[in-house]
Amino acid sequence: GAVVSQHPSRVICKSGTSVKIECRSLDFQATTMFWYRQFPKQSLMLMATSNEGSKATYEQGVEKDKFLINHASLTLSTLTVTSAHPEDSSFYICSARDAASGYSYEQYFGPGTRLTVT
Amino acid sequence: AQSVTQPDIHITVSEGASLELRCNYSYGATPYLFWYVQSPGQGLQLLLKYFSGDTLVQGIKGFEAEFKRSQSSFNLRKPSVHWSDAAEYFCAVLSKAGNNRKLIWGLGTSLAVNP
Repeated sequence: GAVVSQHPSRVICKSGTSVKIECRSLDFQATTMFWYRQFPKQSLMLMATSNEGSKATYEQGVEKDKFLINHASLTLSTLTVTSAHPEDSSFYICSARDAASGYSYEQYFGPGTRLTVT
Repeated sequence: AQSVTQPDIHITVSEGASLELRCNYSYGATPYLFWYVQSPGQGLQLLLKYFSGDTLVQGIKGFEAEFKRSQSSFNLRKPSVHWSDAAEYFCAVLSKAGNNRKLIWGLGTSLAVNP
């Protein structure tokens, strides 16, 4: 149980284009989803927290107009990298909290999406 | 400020040897602590967590961790390492400030296992 999928697993795009990454909770409802960015050999950097049906809360320094997050349903959140540039190349990871988990605060992680901007 | 420190960036052990990965945290109240493992091509997986109660916590894959408040530590241990344990290990503390509960992460420890 508690499986989170991400699609695509890898994407290569040209500079200036936009890329959408999907994050789905497959067997549970996720009221809260998180988007992280991870640079090679580094830790996870939280980009934003999204709650279903409301606007995402972005961490300081993260451009909300560049990284658009939509959490339209209890099983799907999307991250759109708009007008991507090579410096946006990174590993993007989503996670989700089970709505039924109460105070366990456990996050279930997707396998990640490798974005390369050329 | 809340923070997590993993002093060891990289550790190499021999298969069958014991393992201890260090984690120190800075948090004003009772911390909620987690250990996650990240294997290549796989999502982060929760090994164990501590919220309260018994300070020695058992997790999956034979891992355990001990919460020591006096040392602000939550070290991860395994008595006998397997080659499949080679991965990146992250310690995290739950930040309960504000309405959003988010994880504060350490920088990770990369574990290599020699045959």
